[in-house]
Amino acid sequence: QVQLVQSGAEVKKPGASVKVSCKASGYTFTDYYIHWVRQAPGQGLEWMGWINPNSGGTNYAQKFQGRVTMTRDTSISTAYMELSRLRSDDTAVYYCARVKYQLLPHGAFDIWGQGTMVTVSS
Amino acid sequence: QSALTQPASVSGSPGQSITISCTGTSSDVGSYNLVSWYQQHPGKAPKLMIYEGSKRPSGVSNRFSGSKSGNTASLTISGLQAEDEADYYCCSYAGSSTFVVFGTGTKVTVL
Repeated sequence: QVQLVQSGAEVKKPGASVKVSCKASGYTFTDYYIHWVRQAPGQGLEWMGWINPNSGGTNYAQKFQGRVTMTRDTSISTAYMELSRLRSDDTAVYYCARVKYQLLPHGAFDIWGQGTMVTVSS
Repeated sequence: QSALTQPASVSGSPGQSITISCTGTSSDVGSYNLVSWYQQHPGKAPKLMIYEGSKRPSGVSNRFSGSKSGNTASLTISGLQAEDEADYYCCSYAGSSTFVVFGTGTKVTVL
C-alpha cells in the first residue's frame, strides 16, 4: 500500500542538527512532491517546506530559511529534512506528507508519515 | 503570514451536526479553491478529510462536507459520532511566496 515511513525519535542538544528520513513505498516516488510539517507539543500544525523528488528543487517557509535543508535519494525513494542550530522550541513531532496530485507542489496532503519526535534538551 | 482562524473548540451531542469555520484572507482562502481539512486523533498523524474545499477522498464518510464563502471555509460533520472526537485543522494554499498556511485547530468534543 501507499505509505511514508519515517525514522525514529531523536534527542539532540541545543545547537546541534537533526536529520529525519521519510521512505516512500507503493507509488512512484518521483511523481509526487513531499512536504514537511511540524507540530510542537500541544500546538497546531506548522508548514516547513517542500521538495520535488524528481528535480530536487525545494521551497522553504521563510521562518526556516537558512536552517532547514530538504534533500532526497531517488535510489531508495527517501526524502530527508535536516534542521540545524536546534533550539528548545524546535521540540516537536515532524511529519512528511505527500501532495495528492502528481507533479504539482500544491494541494491537499493525502498520505502522511507516522511522525518523528525530535526533542531538543540540554 | 498568520495562521487561519478556527474556533478553539466545538461540541455536540451524538447525532447532531456541527460546523467548524476557518477564516483566512483574500491572499489564501479567498483566492484559491485549495482548502483542505484534516482530522487528527491524539498521538496520530493527520488524516485528509476534505480537499479542494468540498471533495471527499475515497473512504471518508459522507457525514463530512466542506464549503467556502469568501474568505471563510467551513467543515460540517453531520450525524456526530463518538469517533469524530478529534482535532481538526484547515489548510490553504497561499500563493507562491507563503505557499501553505494551516488553521489554528479546533477540538471537537462529542458530549
